[in-house]
Amino acid sequence: DVKVTQSSRYLVKRTGEKVFLECVQDMDHENMFWYRQDPGLGLRLIYFSYDVKMKEKGDIPEGYSVSREKKERFSLILESASTNQTSMYLCATLRDRGVQPQHFGDGTRLSIL
Amino acid sequence: AQKVTQAQTEISVVEKEDVTLDCVYETRDTTYYLFWYKQPPSGELVFLIRRNSFDEQNEISGRYSWNFQKSTSSFNFTITASQVVDSAVYFCALLQLTGANSKLTFGKGITLSVRP
Repeated sequence: DVKVTQSSRYLVKRTGEKVFLECVQDMDHENMFWYRQDPGLGLRLIYFSYDVKMKEKGDIPEGYSVSREKKERFSLILESASTNQTSMYLCATLRDRGVQPQHFGDGTRLSIL
Repeated sequence: AQKVTQAQTEISVVEKEDVTLDCVYETRDTTYYLFWYKQPPSGELVFLIRRNSFDEQNEISGRYSWNFQKSTSSFNFTITASQVVDSAVYFCALLQLTGANSKLTFGKGITLSVRP
């Protein structure tokens, strides 16, 4: 069965801190995605990656960066956290380019104080 | 540009009632795919169904059914005889195939509460 693991379910950080959110998958999927989910806004794509060391901006990349040094791990980085980045963050994976459904992790609820 | 509209934001029903969740989409593509996901309180999005643009057959899976109508650009989801465990946020999503990549556009979600 597909398994997408996000390192933390809940995280509290302070304004200005550098924050790392980690996502690990065990299915050898090429594609990985980071979304943020906010009430009334649904899921919005931050960044995605189609291969190791490859990354593409999504719809709302400002204030974020990503790293994919290994196929199974995709990290989302908040370079200098701000309160408006308080949100639920969801990682997803997808095999090939395909039309199969994305597989999601449980999410990380991040609070920036 | 792609767009998915879920006009209902919150729905509350009593157990055993039927409920329909609406989804309207916009796309210029002739080939596209539509999805429904369920997000229970635990947080993980659970895939429910995928439908491609060439298959307008309605689908039934137990208490769940989906009505895809290209003429109205709608892909509505009905839960028959709702149960408390159906309480969740439901997302409709549209998949666009862009060159070598694919992009999923989500609606804003509908929060369904089923009361005992």
